[in-house]
Amino acid sequence: NAGVTQTPKFQVLKTGQSMTLQCAQDMNHNSMYWYRQDPGMGLRLIYYSASEGTTDKGEVPNGYNVSRLNKREFSLRLESAAPSQTSVYFCASSDDRGPSGANVLTFGAGSRLTVL
Amino acid sequence: GQQVMQIPQYQHVQEGEDFTTYCNSSTTLSNIQWYKQRPGGHPVFLIQLVKSGEVKKQKRLTFQFGEAKKNSSLHITATQTTDVGTYFCAGPGGAQKLVFGQGTRLTINP
Repeated sequence: NAGVTQTPKFQVLKTGQSMTLQCAQDMNHNSMYWYRQDPGMGLRLIYYSASEGTTDKGEVPNGYNVSRLNKREFSLRLESAAPSQTSVYFCASSDDRGPSGANVLTFGAGSRLTVL
Repeated sequence: GQQVMQIPQYQHVQEGEDFTTYCNSSTTLSNIQWYKQRPGGHPVFLIQLVKSGEVKKQKRLTFQFGEAKKNSSLHITATQTTDVGTYFCAGPGGAQKLVFGQGTRLTINP
């Protein structure tokens, strides 16, 4: 059981280039998330999808777009990459059936993106 | 929006010393979760606390949820090199979202 799989693991882009980060989960989870992690900033939510066919903005959505292709897959697209988007990106999923409505997240291994 | 503050940002200890990280929220939390991220790795769920005043233990790790459900702590007794990493708390941010604290990075001198 793979859990959450992200590709690519590493990517170097030039300013203005576009790219898509792919994420797939095999746990039949309803909710999926994209976070970015920067030193001293913790994990900040970019976008999330509570169910297939829906997406919503998180704390830092500017410069990104997402697609919930089906229940398994949730992709993150950078249309015109900027150096400020240099970061480690984590995809996560949850089954949102915990007590008190809590969502326990399962994370992918991360994608390290550098924008020159 | 919902914010969760975590302190300290960094902690360096000698192996065998204790370690504590604290998490505070300005609003009452329905639950709080703790995650650990090893260097170069991804966050991994450790535990979830739901009840006011709840205390849970996992071997040398003790997790507490405050009586007012606005703060939480993680205490590690007699640290080992395997405890190295960044510890995050996370609280509900509405609509299936989780809001993470900034994390406490623990380094250990063997």
